[in-house]
Amino acid sequence: KAGVTQTPRYLIKTRGQQVTLSCSPISGHRSVSWYQQTPGQGLQFLFEYFSETQRNKGNFPGRFSGRQFSNSRSEMNVSTLELGDSALYLCASSLAEGSGYTFGSGTRLTVV
Amino acid sequence: AQSVAQPEDQVNVAEGNPLTVKCTYSVSGNPYLFWYVQYPNRGLQFLLKYITGDNLVKGSYGFEAEFNKSQTSFHLKKPSALVSDSALYFCAVKTSYDKVIFGPGTSLSVIP
Repeated sequence: KAGVTQTPRYLIKTRGQQVTLSCSPISGHRSVSWYQQTPGQGLQFLFEYFSETQRNKGNFPGRFSGRQFSNSRSEMNVSTLELGDSALYLCASSLAEGSGYTFGSGTRLTVV
Repeated sequence: AQSVAQPEDQVNVAEGNPLTVKCTYSVSGNPYLFWYVQYPNRGLQFLLKYITGDNLVKGSYGFEAEFNKSQTSFHLKKPSALVSDSALYFCAVKTSYDKVIFGPGTSLSVIP
């Protein structure tokens, strides 16, 4: 079966711009989580959605937002990009509470 | 607050020798514990999880982990290391309906 698909794989944006990243979970998975990975901060939780509702949120500024659609696909948006937003953004989906998470390959965002 | 510690940034082991990657955690409530592996420029891959039951959990690629409630530890082990096991390993913890918290990661190098 298809895994978690993240698009695009690579992205270069300029400071001040905004960006939208997409995540398609494994079919049947209703939970989608987003993480930011950087060498300095490691893996940091952004938010989790379940059945179109945000269930948990990490400690990121309001410039970071997300949503989940009725087909469980999710998007995250970062507005007013800063150089420090350069990172690997990972999406993961889960079948149920307590299940393992299946990760996508990530979107590498570079802000210049 | 939930937290996860991986006390070793780097673990080096000779091929064929047993390996251990350490993880300790702090949660209020019963933990769900996970181990993930990450290869360069890729997302995380699920190795194993502990929810309840037997303290020794077996997972993918010959890995296993031992849950120790009194020491709040969940160390990852493998009896015989392979060069292909060289990667970044993450321990993670969550409680029911709460967010997943990842440890900082341990880089494993298996030396031929």
